[in-house]
Amino acid sequence: QVKLLQSGAALVKPGASVKMSCKASGYTFTDYWVSWVKQSHGKSLEWIGEIYPNSGATNFNEKFKGKATLTVDKSTSTAYMELSRLTSEDSAIYYCTRSRNWFAYWGQGTLVTVSS
Amino acid sequence: DVQMTQSPSYLAASPGESVSISCKASKSISNYLAWYQQKPGEAYKLLIYSGSTLQSGTPSRFSGSGSGTDFTLTIRSLEPEDFGLYYCQQYYEKPLTFGSGTKLEIK
Repeated sequence: QVKLLQSGAALVKPGASVKMSCKASGYTFTDYWVSWVKQSHGKSLEWIGEIYPNSGATNFNEKFKGKATLTVDKSTSTAYMELSRLTSEDSAIYYCTRSRNWFAYWGQGTLVTVSS
Repeated sequence: DVQMTQSPSYLAASPGESVSISCKASKSISNYLAWYQQKPGEAYKLLIYSGSTLQSGTPSRFSGSGSGTDFTLTIRSLEPEDFGLYYCQQYYEKPLTFGSGTKLEIK
């Protein structure tokens, strides 16, 4: 069955970067877009962007351009998201999802805490 | 960006009752709307897409309706396991945007 397994929680200092992973299994990784979604504490969901593993093509929410970098490793069926120049506003749970319109499959989320 | 206004933010109902959650888009999104459920410790679950199409595995007591700007998620004959957070999401245009969520508590 389709699974998206995300990396564990991260505690990072302000100004630093963090890279998280999303390992896909149960389907052909290169056939589906992978999207990333942010859920801040007590707030709703924000779509960050998406990447097509087959070509590496990406699309971003303007709000996250320059903040998020999306990459993939096709050899391991893993998608990555790196967040740079972290501030307290970046503290959140980040989810990877399969597909680009509605999301039938979600990872379990990666908690990122930005604190000195 | 398409703003999604979801209401109510909180809802409490007893098993067997029916509830409805509203989602209004700031512009017409045709039927490009999905509904999700989130329960503590569990992954997000897609319930409905294309406004009214039940995802495989979604119980038939769930239904979605609407098009254009106004949408509704209805849960008939509530079950205790229906508690959780519910979100709507439009995919008519990017950036994809979500409603603010509805917390459903079972009395």
